[in-house]
Amino acid sequence: EAAVTQSPRNKVAVTGGKVTLSCNQTNNHNNMYWYRQDTGHGLRLIHYSYGAGSTEKGDIPDGYKASRPSQENFSLILELATPSQTSVYFCASGEGQNTLYFGEGSRLIVV
Amino acid sequence: QQKVQQSPESLSVPEGGMASLNCTSSDRNFQYFWWYRQHSGEGPKALMSIFSDGDKKEGRFTAHLNKASLHVSLHIRDSQPSDSALYFCAVSLSSNTNKVVFGTGTRLQVLP
Repeated sequence: EAAVTQSPRNKVAVTGGKVTLSCNQTNNHNNMYWYRQDTGHGLRLIHYSYGAGSTEKGDIPDGYKASRPSQENFSLILELATPSQTSVYFCASGEGQNTLYFGEGSRLIVV
Repeated sequence: QQKVQQSPESLSVPEGGMASLNCTSSDRNFQYFWWYRQHSGEGPKALMSIFSDGDKKEGRFTAHLNKASLHVSLHIRDSQPSDSALYFCAVSLSSNTNKVVFGTGTRLQVLP
């Protein structure tokens, strides 16, 4: 089965600090996605990518940057973390219109 | 911004009963509707996709799509306690964007 690995799985950060969430996929998929999950909001798309070197803004990109240095890796960067960014973040990979494969999630608490 | 609305927010059905979940997209430029299921502490996993009008059946799960109304439903017959989970509808938008937008989710509880 397709494998998507996220790190760290849990993170406590201070307000104003920098946070990097990393995602690695071994599926050789072109597309990768970052979502955040909050009660009452479902999964909201932050950034996505078509392939190495590309990043696209999703529906809620403010306060987040993304980086896709290679086919396998896609990072989400919070330059100045705020408490409103406390959430569970999910990375996913996919190809065309096919199934998305999700990682296990990264729980971020900003204090 | 595309929106995907799901209803109800939560649903309880007895074991062996039928669960029905609904989803509507605000964007006509969709390619596929998807249903995903998420158990507690895990990432979402795909159940099935549908892109043609009518029904698509996979085991105990049946999806029904009405393109004119941008509405898709998921029906789970003979519900099992293991079906208790958070169910997401997702819309895969036009093929040149590869953008996938998820709904707010329906929490299903199957009571033994």
